[in-house]
Amino acid sequence: QSALTQPASVSGSPGQSISISCTGASSDVAASDYVSWYQQHPGKAPKLLIYDVSNRPSGVSNRFSGSKSGNTASLAISGLQAEDEADYYCCSYTTSSTLVFGGGTKLTVL
Amino acid sequence: EVQLVESGGGLVKPGGSLRLSCAASGFAASQFTFSNLWMSWVRQAPGKGLEWIGRIISKSGGGTTDYAAPVKGRFTISRDDSKSTVYLQMNSLKTEDTAIYYCSSHIVAGAMGVWGQGTTVIVSS
Repeated sequence: QSALTQPASVSGSPGQSISISCTGASSDVAASDYVSWYQQHPGKAPKLLIYDVSNRPSGVSNRFSGSKSGNTASLAISGLQAEDEADYYCCSYTTSSTLVFGGGTKLTVL
Repeated sequence: EVQLVESGGGLVKPGGSLRLSCAASGFAASQFTFSNLWMSWVRQAPGKGLEWIGRIISKSGGGTTDYAAPVKGRFTISRDDSKSTVYLQMNSLKTEDTAIYYCSSHIVAGAMGVWGQGTTVIVSS
C-alpha cells in the first residue's frame, strides 16, 4: 500500500485560507468514507482534526473543514493563524482493512 | 479524559526483539470503556512522516488484528482488557524500524482520536 500523495509544503498569510490535497487510489481514498486529517506540531503527538471526510471532533475549530472528490481528499483552513503552522497528514482506510497515511504537508504561516 | 501512556522503548540490536506497552486510563468520566476501543500503533522515523503499522479491534468485535506490509509477520499487537493495556511485540528488528512509536485509540474505524506521547525505539548495532 503506497502512501497517499500530499504537497510537501503550503504557505499563507494570517487571515487567508489555504487548502491541502491528499490523492490516493481506487483502493483507499476513492473507496473510503473514512478519510481523516491530523495536525502535528514539532515534538508533539498528532491531533485529530477531521474524521470520516468532513466531521470535526468536539473542540476542533470550525476553521478546519474536510471534503473529498473521487480519489482526492482536501483539508481547508480558513482565517489562518500563527498557531496553525504545523505538519498536516491525511489518512485513509483501505479495501484491505488497513490504514495508510499521506506523506505530510508542512504549513508555513508567513 | 482518556489518556494513553507508552513504555518499553529503548536501544536494541538488529535482529533483536522489544515489547512496547500502552496503558490507558481516564475511563471513569468517559463514555468509553477500554474493552470496546480499537487501538492502533503508528510510528514516525526521524524527520519522516507518520506510518500506520497495525491495529487491534475490540474483543467483542472479534479481537482481530491488521498490519501494514513492512511489519507483517514480524510485529504482533495484543491486548489485556483487564489491565487496559495494549502491546506491540516487535521481533526481527531492522535499522529502519528506528522511530517514535505512538499508540492511539480510535473514535471511529478510520480515525484515531487519542494519542500517547510516544516511546522511542532505536535499532542499531
